[in-house]
Amino acid sequence: GAVVSQHPSWVICKSGTSVKIECRSLDFQATTMFWYRQFPKQSLMLMATSNEGSKATYEQGVEKDKFLINHASLTLSTLTVTSAHPEDSSFYICSAQGDGTANEKLFFGSGTQLSVL
Amino acid sequence: DQQVKQNSPSLSVQEGRISILNCDYTNSMFDYFLWYKKYPAEGPTFLISISSIKDKNEDGRFTVFLNKSAKHLSLHIVPSQPGDSAVYFCAASARNTGNQFYFGTGTSLTVIP
Repeated sequence: GAVVSQHPSWVICKSGTSVKIECRSLDFQATTMFWYRQFPKQSLMLMATSNEGSKATYEQGVEKDKFLINHASLTLSTLTVTSAHPEDSSFYICSAQGDGTANEKLFFGSGTQLSVL
Repeated sequence: DQQVKQNSPSLSVQEGRISILNCDYTNSMFDYFLWYKKYPAEGPTFLISISSIKDKNEDGRFTVFLNKSAKHLSLHIVPSQPGDSAVYFCAASARNTGNQFYFGTGTSLTVIP
């Protein structure tokens, strides 16, 4: 099946630094990628939807200047957490969708656990 | 507002028996439902889906039932195997409003050998 690679899987950073998370579709072209955030014992919460070559669409309450999303190619989307603070510590996970005509499933990356000290 | 709910955070079942995981939703516009399985430190993997035009979909040991009037779906695993131990998420979407999926909080299934 389709493979989505996400890295790093775990990152620890100091407060005030920026962290970049990459999400790659390895064997298909992902026209749409989604970024989720999950707090312990809570569901996956959609943060933003990114389409290749256009600006990401952010969900209500998600700061677009803090969570920068770039989807420059059909196989790569990046999420940059800028000026990270301890409250940004969470599990971030991306998913990718193909051209939408026949593939309605989401394929997930393995997630990134971010810890901000 | 949680549009998709999984009210049982955990479930334990004996190997060989049936596992039943439940999911409720509130948005009547949802017309496509999926179940995902997640092992620790891994991303969710797709398990089975069902469209609102059906009330049952079966794939091997996994069967998903949809009750639209009750806004309820369930995943049946029979017979349960120890390798089925994982967290199961249900997800729903309304395709006429785009492909945004709403996830439940997950149910952790433990199959006891």
